[in-house]
Amino acid sequence: QVQLQESGPGLVKPSQTLFLTCSVSGGSISSGGYYWGWIRQHPGTGLEWIGYIHSSGNTFFYPSLQRRSTISRDTSKNQFSLTLSSVTSADTAVYYCARRFPIAGYFDTWGQGALVTVSS
Amino acid sequence: DIQMTQSPSTLSASIGDRVTITCRASQSINSWLAWYQQKPGKAPNLLISKASILENGAPSRFSGSGSGTEFTLTISSLQPGDFAIYYCQQYKSYPYTFGQGTKLEI
Repeated sequence: QVQLQESGPGLVKPSQTLFLTCSVSGGSISSGGYYWGWIRQHPGTGLEWIGYIHSSGNTFFYPSLQRRSTISRDTSKNQFSLTLSSVTSADTAVYYCARRFPIAGYFDTWGQGALVTVSS
Repeated sequence: DIQMTQSPSTLSASIGDRVTITCRASQSINSWLAWYQQKPGKAPNLLISKASILENGAPSRFSGSGSGTEFTLTISSLQPGDFAIYYCQQYKSYPYTFGQGTKLEI
């Protein structure tokens, strides 16, 4: 059974860069045609897809976040990471990593989530 | 972007009730719709894909229907663990978008 776990700083200063890592166990991020993504949830509100990286290494992003977002992977560690630059308080959210099913766009496995607060 | 609108935003119900949540898309998404359940402090959990396919492990009291622009999630007989927030998500086209959620409360 695939499991995902987010890790990273819980507090980031405005204008700095947010960096989160998702560690995957029970399956390889470089095989099977899956997509490995990031979704965030602002406090008390709904869900916003950020982007993901395919098992091939191709990346896809939500247009409004694309300019500030990077998703990379370390296949030797079976991890993938999110970098979000120039953060503001509007980026305060719970960040989830999740696995997207290969031939359809739903997310079938999620990490537990990591709260990131942007504050000085 | 395709806008997803859920109704109601909050639904009050009792154990044993049959409840229905509606999700409308701003344009046709065929049957490319998923439903998730989220409990406080937890990640969303996939319940239904392709509008009506119940995921392994999801209780059979959950069912989904619809196509095009209008979809429903029905819980046939509410159980205590069903009180949560429910989200729909379209995956017809990028960027994938979620509804704003429906809070199911006692």
